[in-house]
Amino acid sequence: QKEVEQDPGPLSVPEGAIVSLNCTYSNSAFQYFMWYRQYSRKGPELLMYTYSSGNKEDGRFTAQVDKSSKYISLFIRDSQPSDSATYLCASGGFKTIFGAGTRLFVKA
Amino acid sequence: KAGVTQTPRYLIKTRGQQVTLSCSPISGHRSVSWYQQTPGQGLQFLFEYFSETQRNKGNFPGRFSGRQFSNSRSEMNVSTLELGDSALYLCASYSGRTTDTQYFGPGTRLTVL
Repeated sequence: QKEVEQDPGPLSVPEGAIVSLNCTYSNSAFQYFMWYRQYSRKGPELLMYTYSSGNKEDGRFTAQVDKSSKYISLFIRDSQPSDSATYLCASGGFKTIFGAGTRLFVKA
Repeated sequence: KAGVTQTPRYLIKTRGQQVTLSCSPISGHRSVSWYQQTPGQGLQFLFEYFSETQRNKGNFPGRFSGRQFSNSRSEMNVSTLELGDSALYLCASYSGRTTDTQYFGPGTRLTVL
């Protein structure tokens, strides 16, 4: 079992939809949780970073962490074609473990 | 502040050759990590260097090695290349502050023929 599990997709949605991306992790010692966005031919860029359970909002993006169920989510409101990318969840303590990434396509 | 830079951006090699990739971290960052990214395996951790010392290592064979210089720049070397080494190699820079996180470079796309 991988320490961070993520459905690779692809996930295709129409413009304006609410997107929900999810990951689970297995190590209860993990202390921080992150979402990265990676466009084609680019390195991952950090979107959201949190230590605690609960929600963290940044513009159209909301990261949600439930430590009791070891579940990480990223919600994208009013999705745009420019949101089309691969989204990687990551978690860790002393070192960071990444999910496989979910490919998202937002159709105009 | 300049971001993480990696050179070269693209590389084509043949089996059996060796390759050296370079990474310059964000100014002031002392930690550099290397990752291999492939469609099948996702992002896999290779190793981390901090102040010229390897601090963490992933599960890769000894053909993969690295080093870090006193100016925090890092190099990664892969010897006796195999077809399966074709991947995007990403470098990530980290300040070391617990409230901070890693920042990735654009990667080096290695193709082994």
